[in-house]
Amino acid sequence: EAQVTQNPRYLITVTGKKLTVTCSQNMNHEYMSWYRQDPGLGLRQIYYSMNVEVTDKGDVPEGYKVSRKEKRNFPLILESPSPNQTSLYFCASSLTGGRRISGTLHFGNGTRLTVT
Amino acid sequence: AQTVTQSQPEMSVQEAETVTLSCTYDTSESDYYLFWYKQPPSRQMILVIRQEAYKQQNATENRFSVNFQKAAKSFSLKISDSQLGDAAMYFCAYRRVTDSWGKLQFGAGTQVVVTP
Repeated sequence: EAQVTQNPRYLITVTGKKLTVTCSQNMNHEYMSWYRQDPGLGLRQIYYSMNVEVTDKGDVPEGYKVSRKEKRNFPLILESPSPNQTSLYFCASSLTGGRRISGTLHFGNGTRLTVT
Repeated sequence: AQTVTQSQPEMSVQEAETVTLSCTYDTSESDYYLFWYKQPPSRQMILVIRQEAYKQQNATENRFSVNFQKAAKSFSLKISDSQLGDAAMYFCAYRRVTDSWGKLQFGAGTQVVVTP
């Protein structure tokens, strides 16, 4: 089954304790991205990657890191989490194709992160 | 910069009735995609419908249809014959076609409540 898999689904941690949220897709997509969802703000892009070893900042990158060592995986790293990073996080992927991007993003099931 | 505005935080509809969700966006581009995503309580992001800006015909998917007004930069979603399973948060989103990094820009969302 074609899917984007995120883990864990729920995560509670304390301020300053490093954590990683994993994301993996089995659709051979070049493009992967992380979003955070907050009430009244919709989803905002944190980081994205166009392909292996190619990553760049989105709209809200502060406090986050990513890596893309393999095409299928795109982990999100919080080196020193703070309470303002409490949010719902989504990983997403899509094809990219020449001039026209295929358009549709496929989302993981989300990770609810609470930082106390 | 592009922005997506959903002016209705919540809409209520009775079963079997019709509800229309509004979305406006701001862009200087002529070629782009517009989407409606549904997020039920399970948090999953489900693609409802997709519209390519160069296509004048409004997209439809079963009970879901859009009214795409390119000049007015408006993209409303109509849910006909509403069902209890339609209750969810609905997000309008925009994506440039030629954008090499393919960011999806989201509105703040509209919560749809379906009453029996």
